[in-house]
Amino acid sequence: AQSVTQLGSHVSVSEGALVLLRCNYSSSVPPYLFWYVQYPNQGLQLLLKYTSAATLVKGINGFEAEFKKSETSFHLTKPSAHMSDAAEYFCATTTGTASKLTFGTGTRLQVTL
Amino acid sequence: DSGVTQTPKHLITATGQRVTLRCSPRSGDLSVYWYQQSLDQGLQFLIQYYNGEERAKGNILERFSAQQFPDLHSELNLSSLELGDSALYFCASSPHPGEVREKLFFGSGTQLSVL
Repeated sequence: AQSVTQLGSHVSVSEGALVLLRCNYSSSVPPYLFWYVQYPNQGLQLLLKYTSAATLVKGINGFEAEFKKSETSFHLTKPSAHMSDAAEYFCATTTGTASKLTFGTGTRLQVTL
Repeated sequence: DSGVTQTPKHLITATGQRVTLRCSPRSGDLSVYWYQQSLDQGLQFLIQYYNGEERAKGNILERFSAQQFPDLHSELNLSSLELGDSALYFCASSPHPGEVREKLFFGSGTQLSVL
């Protein structure tokens, strides 16, 4: 069965610094991969998704992720962190339908001055 | 604002009780998904309805049931509640049956506390 592993439950960066949130997937077939963000007291919002087209995926709010099959990774990056990026980020995968999304355990991003 | 409305936002109840969580999907969306987010289990898919019919089932307990009504709103019923059922319950919606490329729109959740 497909799964994702998020390395680091908490990540802290300074405002303006690079954001790197790690996600590795495990799948016997080509996966579909997603990053969702959850702001405090809100539901999840899709940041970006990989569906076997371009390996570098650009999302909203300046985030992007690169699918690397050789490393089974789909890390999320943003060149310059903003205070408003503080939230919890979830990597997710499915090889089937949207209803079978499997989420990682989440990474809480803290942005400091 | 995702357009998905969940009520109530908070619910406090006792063990053994039964509660109903309500979800109104975005206008025009036919699919409704229920997810449970807990500290120990993370975010787990429970069940999906599409246009009134059950479409997919995940890790939903037998004590839990759901339905989708003709006006497309959905209710998740949790009975014989246990302490471990305390969690944040999310509803999401999408226009179609759940193709993998579809974007899910999540509500802000119902926080259930079982005391």
